[in-house]
Amino acid sequence: DIQMTQSPSSLSASVGDRVTITCRASQSINNYLNWYQQKPGKAPNLLIYGASSLQSGVPSRFSGSGSGTYFTLTINSLQPEDFATYYCQKSDRTPLTFGGGTKVEIK
Amino acid sequence: EVQLVESGGGLVQPGGSLRLSCAASGFAFSNYWMSWVRQAPGKGLEWVANIKQDGGETAYVESVKGRFTISRDNAKKSLYLQMSTLRAEDTALYYCARDKEVGPSLLDFWGQGTPVTVSS
Repeated sequence: DIQMTQSPSSLSASVGDRVTITCRASQSINNYLNWYQQKPGKAPNLLIYGASSLQSGVPSRFSGSGSGTYFTLTINSLQPEDFATYYCQKSDRTPLTFGGGTKVEIK
Repeated sequence: EVQLVESGGGLVQPGGSLRLSCAASGFAFSNYWMSWVRQAPGKGLEWVANIKQDGGETAYVESVKGRFTISRDNAKKSLYLQMSTLRAEDTALYYCARDKEVGPSLLDFWGQGTPVTVSS
C-alpha cells in the first residue's frame, strides 16, 4: 500500500505568517490528494481536493499544489482560526490513507 | 443542510461486537459513496472502510478486514459498521463521512463521531 508522510509533524507560527506543509506519497498518486483541517474536538473539514482545487466556502488564503509524490498546502497570512491540525489523504484508490498530520500552533 | 449523525458507540470487552449507525439527511444519500474514518485518542485519522452507492462494492483498511462489515440501507438513508472480534487498538472515535458521487474520493461532510472503547 502507498504510504503518506507529512512534514513537519508540528510547527509554530504567528498570525500573518505564510505556512507551508508538505505531504509525500511513497508512489505516484498523480493529483489524487486531499487536504483536511481539524480543530480540537471537531470533525475534519475538507479544504482542498484534487491537489489544488479549493473546496467551496474555504478561504482563498489556503492553496494546494503538487502532483506525483510531492504535495504542499500553503496558508497565506495565517489567521487565528487557522491554528489546527492538517491532514493529507490520498484519493485515488483504497486504502484512502491519511498522512500523520501537522499541528499548527501559535508562536 | 447536510447532516450525518452517528450512534451505537460504547464500551465493549475485547472480542466483543458492536454495530455503529449513521443517519443521513439533507442530501440524496443513495447518490453517494460513504466512508467510515476513525481517530484513536490523541492520534491521527485512519480511513476504515467505504461503500458504493448501491452497496455492491466495499473496501476496508487491512487491519479490519474480516472483522468489520460496512453496509447501507438507502431507503432508511443509513450507513452501518458492524464490528466484531474487537481489539483494544480499535478504540477510537468513529466518524461517518459523505464520499464521492463519481471520480476520486473526497470526504466533504462528516458527522461528529461516536466513541468506541474496547476494554475489559
